[in-house]
Amino acid sequence: DAGVIQSPRHEVTEMGQEVTLRCKPISGHNSLFWYRQTMMRGLELLIYFNNNVPIDDSGMPEDRFSAKMPNASFSTLKIQPSEPRDSAVYFCASSERDRGLRAKNIQYFGAGTRLSVL
Amino acid sequence: AQKITQTQPGMFVQEKEAVTLDCTYDTSDQSYGLFWYKQPSSGEMIFLIYQGSYDEQNATEGRYSLNFQKARKSANLVISASQLGDSAMYFCAMREAMNSGGYQKVTFGIGTKLQVIP
Repeated sequence: DAGVIQSPRHEVTEMGQEVTLRCKPISGHNSLFWYRQTMMRGLELLIYFNNNVPIDDSGMPEDRFSAKMPNASFSTLKIQPSEPRDSAVYFCASSERDRGLRAKNIQYFGAGTRLSVL
Repeated sequence: AQKITQTQPGMFVQEKEAVTLDCTYDTSDQSYGLFWYKQPSSGEMIFLIYQGSYDEQNATEGRYSLNFQKARKSANLVISASQLGDSAMYFCAMREAMNSGGYQKVTFGIGTKLQVIP
């Protein structure tokens, strides 16, 4: 079975440019998460979608960041304009439908996108 | 207060020996889930093992076991018979309910870097 697929794997861009990161969740998974990983702050949740609807975007740093999930098999995270401090590894993860507090609801991660903003 | 505490920035273990990676957590919820993930140098996040707060037995997955001590709020990962391929960052994580609607958020620790010595 294909896991979570992210593209691109690496992105190098210049400050001020628009960056779009893409994610295809595992088929049948209803929940999708975008995380950012940096040395200073560790792994942070940016946004959580359930059934394509954003449920929690409290982790989105600022208006320069936006995320969409137009359908169950695709999501994007966009940064416009990008800044050097956005340099990080961005992960997408998906999990099955939330089955309640006693269910595992394991999040499976993609390989990540390493973003460098010069 | 930090939700997840991993106090060991780095650990060394001799090949074929067992190693314990520490994790303590903080929650007032009665129902929650605990996870361990592995991140090798290639960067992907790999799910290893899950423990539910209501599970009476410690979780085991092959060479991985989770030493769950609920009263002490600890969820240590035990890796038996260490292999060179176990060298990686290891992250402890906790899922707890964020609101009465059942949205469950996962918080990650800062990780422990394990190096297996031949």
